[in-house]
Amino acid sequence: SQQGEEDPQALSIQEGENATMNCSYKTSINNLQWYRQNSGRGLVHLILIRSNEREKHSGRLRVTLDTSKKSSSLLITASRAADTASYFCATAPSGGYQKVTFGTGTKLQVIP
Amino acid sequence: DAGVTQSPTHLIKTRGQQVTLRCSPKSGHDTVSWYQQALGQGPQFIFQYYEEEERQRGNFPDRFSGHQFPNYSSELNVNALLLGDSALYLCASSRYREGHNEQFFGPGTRLTVL
Repeated sequence: SQQGEEDPQALSIQEGENATMNCSYKTSINNLQWYRQNSGRGLVHLILIRSNEREKHSGRLRVTLDTSKKSSSLLITASRAADTASYFCATAPSGGYQKVTFGTGTKLQVIP
Repeated sequence: DAGVTQSPTHLIKTRGQQVTLRCSPKSGHDTVSWYQQALGQGPQFIFQYYEEEERQRGNFPDRFSGHQFPNYSSELNVNALLLGDSALYLCASSRYREGHNEQFFGPGTRLTVL
């Protein structure tokens, strides 16, 4: 079963605009991770935020985590055509090792 | 430094057959996890191997089994294939002692069951 639900399911923006994706989850977590997947290939790890963190930055990526609402958001600033991909959030539960549970994904299209 | 490698890239089987998929972890990693990703869905956790033992398992039937070798590489076996087993199978490696840190994924094996 999927732990997380991403919103929106699909997003289409112009190059240079910002893209925001949201993730909601159900159970307590140790951390939440965001991954990118290009055209049904392997996943690339983008960023990890721990349950005691509220915000994290990596380059053009900004992730927030609200454990009280069991939600996270991923912001990609100044998007590029190369950002076109599916984005997944994944949660690692409290008290367990690496049984990471993925959400349903957001398909992002950046139009040049 | 090679990342996670998987073989084969693509595979076509018929219902009822058996299949074996292979994974070599990233150098320095000792834990391998397997995921099934159906078209348009997120990856679903199958199981995880550490020290040649299955440590955790997702909601998959016993038709799905695995193995880890002393060199940390791993195999995923699926028996009595069903049409619904058609999916991208992803292998991810990590260091067990680092607990919940990031996993490194291979490119996947695309399995088609006819």
